[in-house]
Amino acid sequence: GENVEQHPSTLSVQEGDSAVIKCTYSDSASNYFPWYKQELGKRPQLIIDIRSNVGEKKDQRIAVTLNKTAKHFSLHITETQPEDSAVYFCAATPKAAGNKLTFGGGTRVLVKP
Amino acid sequence: NAGVTQTPKFQVLKTGQSMTLQCAQDMNHEYMSWYRQDPGMGLRLIHYSVGAGITDQGEVPNGYNVSRSTTEDFPLRLLSAAPSQTSVYFCASSYSGGLVAFFGQGTRLTVV
Repeated sequence: GENVEQHPSTLSVQEGDSAVIKCTYSDSASNYFPWYKQELGKRPQLIIDIRSNVGEKKDQRIAVTLNKTAKHFSLHITETQPEDSAVYFCAATPKAAGNKLTFGGGTRVLVKP
Repeated sequence: NAGVTQTPKFQVLKTGQSMTLQCAQDMNHEYMSWYRQDPGMGLRLIHYSVGAGITDQGEVPNGYNVSRSTTEDFPLRLLSAAPSQTSVYFCASSYSGGLVAFFGQGTRLTVV
């Protein structure tokens, strides 16, 4: 089955700096890669996703890049703000598997004012 | 729309007890899933369903049972609770063929 590794496990940045989280996956059949943000005590919520036919996607201050050859994808947050402090999870799934998401272990991001 | 609703929010069980975690969605989603969240391990898939009457095992199914008699409901049963099942449980749903998962608010379960 799919295996997703996520690094780093914790990330501390100064407000206004950029944050980058990296994930690698093992199953070449995976073709959908979402990122979820989970604030303390809350449910995970989708912030951005990318499909395998796209190399990069951007939404305001967040962007995701995908390298299918190397089987890795990354989340980039620019101009970080205190409200970006949360745990971020990457995930991967092959569309043929329905919604069987395989998640990375999570990255705890702390934005220091 | 209430979205995905889980009950209870908190539960303490004694070892060996059984219970059912409830999950209901009002978005007419065909896909529903149960995940458990443990520190440093992300979310791991327990069981999932692609429609009423159809269920399948995920990554960590042992000790759990599910059924899907209606599109709206997907209960998760703990047959004989063990301390290793102490976790936060999330139910999620999505459209058939869709990939975006909508999560419930979670159930924090402690087994003593």
